Amino acid sequence: EAQVTQNPRYLITVTGKKLTVTCSQNMNHEYMSWYRQDPGLGLRQIYYSMNVEVTDKGDVPEGYKVSRKEKRNFPLILESPSPNQTSLYFCASAGLAGGLREQYFGPGTRLTVT
Amino acid sequence: AQSVTQLDSQVPVFEEAPVELRCNYSSSVSVYLFWYVQYPNQGLQLLLKYLSGSTLVKGINGFEAEFNKSQTSFHLRKPSVHISDTAEYFCAVSYNTDKLIFGTGTRLQVFP
Repeated sequence: EAQVTQNPRYLITVTGKKLTVTCSQNMNHEYMSWYRQDPGLGLRQIYYSMNVEVTDKGDVPEGYKVSRKEKRNFPLILESPSPNQTSLYFCASAGLAGGLREQYFGPGTRLTVT
Repeated sequence: AQSVTQLDSQVPVFEEAPVELRCNYSSSVSVYLFWYVQYPNQGLQLLLKYLSGSTLVKGINGFEAEFNKSQTSFHLRKPSVHISDTAEYFCAVSYNTDKLIFGTGTRLQVFP
């Protein structure tokens, strides 16, 4: 089954404790992206990657890092989480052949930073 | 600036009634339009998309949307909703770049 998986689905942590949210896709997609969803703000892009070893900032990159060492994986790293990063995070992937015209989303990771 | 506006943050409706969820975008020569649905505690699922061709687009679960270039709108409609349609709906636009711009979402609540 074609899918995007994220782990963990739920995470509660404390300010300053480094964490990583993993994202993996099995569709051989070149493009991967991270979004955060906040009430009243919709989804905002954090980082994206057009292919292995190629990453770029989205609209809200501050406080986040990403890496793309393998095509299927695109982890999101919070080096020093703060309460304003409490949010629902989605990973997405798309094939470049379709001009990025259909993104497939993971189930989401709900992060709480206390 | 490129933007997407969903005017209604919540839309309550009774089961079997028709519904329209509104979406407007900032004008551009080339635009691709999408509606995504998010069921409770789930990720986003593509409902339908407009890339080119017919301005009336049919999607899954009986939804359809009409691309109106003169009004820069892409409203989502369903003639008869079900309880199971209760979800949050996001309109998204791509201005021929590498990103999707999402609206703020409309929560559709269907009552029995």
